[in-house]
Amino acid sequence: GIQVEQSPPDLILQEGANSTLRCNFSDSVNNLQWFHQNPWGQLINLFYIPSGTKQNGRLSATTVATERYSLLYISSSQTTDSGVYFCAVERSSGTYKYIFGTGTRLKVLA
Amino acid sequence: GAVVSQHPSRVICKSGTSVKIECRSLDFQATTMFWYRQFPKQSLMLMATSNEGSKATYEQGVEKDKFLINHASLTLSTLTVTSAHPEDSSFYICSARTGGTSPLHFGNGTRLTVT
Repeated sequence: GIQVEQSPPDLILQEGANSTLRCNFSDSVNNLQWFHQNPWGQLINLFYIPSGTKQNGRLSATTVATERYSLLYISSSQTTDSGVYFCAVERSSGTYKYIFGTGTRLKVLA
Repeated sequence: GAVVSQHPSRVICKSGTSVKIECRSLDFQATTMFWYRQFPKQSLMLMATSNEGSKATYEQGVEKDKFLINHASLTLSTLTVTSAHPEDSSFYICSARTGGTSPLHFGNGTRLTVT
């Protein structure tokens, strides 16, 4: 099956710092989403981004589908950004199911 | 829009009993729903895919007789953990989408503890 690897696995930042999270996938995909899982387990949908670049406030994401990776940028990080960030991809082979990446655990210190 | 409601949020049950978890799409019709399982400090693992009116498709290694999935309508899917054991304790999360290539929307998850 498709492999979805995220890096770095863990990240500690001082409040106000910027960061880039990466998602690599081993096969062509139809869709890609980025999620933030908060400490209570809720998954917050950040971006639906099968290709191109999107921005939402301090967050932005870029997917280069032909090179099989996506990046999530967090600028001016805040303590509320802490949690786990997942990318999830849907293969182009028509299975219609999303496979989650390994996750990046982010902690932002005040 | 695109709200998915999952109940209960927490459940504690005794070993050997069954537990039912409900997943509802509140403001859209979900042709496909997915059930995921997450162990502490791990990623989400897909358990099964359910389509309204048909049998669920289970991922390799998931016992279909233990994890019964019913997708009886376009707004409701249920997961029943039968004869639960302590190793079934986990975080179960459902998700739904309106069509084949639409984004996923997630419920808030159910934390199951089997004693």
